Amino acid sequence: EAEVAQSPRYKITEKSQAVAFWCDPISGHATLYWYRQILGQGPELLVQFQDESVVDDSQLPKDRFSAERLKGVDSTLKIQPAELGDSAMYLCASGSGGLQAFFGQGTRLTVV
Amino acid sequence: AQRVTQPEKLLSVFKGAPVELKCNYSYSGSPELFWYVQYSRQRLQLLLRHISRESIKGFTADLNKGETSFHLKKPFAQEEDSAMYYCALREGAGNNRKLIWGLGTSLAVNP
Repeated sequence: EAEVAQSPRYKITEKSQAVAFWCDPISGHATLYWYRQILGQGPELLVQFQDESVVDDSQLPKDRFSAERLKGVDSTLKIQPAELGDSAMYLCASGSGGLQAFFGQGTRLTVV
Repeated sequence: AQRVTQPEKLLSVFKGAPVELKCNYSYSGSPELFWYVQYSRQRLQLLLRHISRESIKGFTADLNKGETSFHLKKPFAQEEDSAMYYCALREGAGNNRKLIWGLGTSLAVNP
């Protein structure tokens, strides 16, 4: 069964360092989402792509976060510089027809 | 602004008992509501959506526009239902509308 792939599963980084996460959506899914989930809370959308275009990045802290999906397939989310408050689970999801049905296992980021 | 409220952070029931996970929303238009579930050590997955009006793993949820609720129900809980459940709302039109998520309810089904 096709799955959304994310790497790495875990990342520990020092504050002020750069960190990047990768997501490979299910083949053929035009829509890709990056979420941040802080422990005890629901997912918060950071950025949504339709193919290679950003359709919503209103909650993305653009001074330090960036996301790209150059060929409309896989995507990278970057944080530079990382801050202590960025420690969270970063989830990627993909879908078609507007339905967000498929999530990756996430990358758990710890900033020390 | 849209908002999704799940009033219970933790719900504990015994196996075989009925279970209801509450979800209330605030939205003036025609919402689309979803329930997502995350079992221990597994990825988040879609459980059901209100427009499908289906029963998944014995769970059902009915959209009540009068009470602005979308409670998730199951008549007889099973131990394997123990998981984190999230209610989510999407504005009614267009495929690029984002989801607004509740904080989640942790369901524990005890033997």
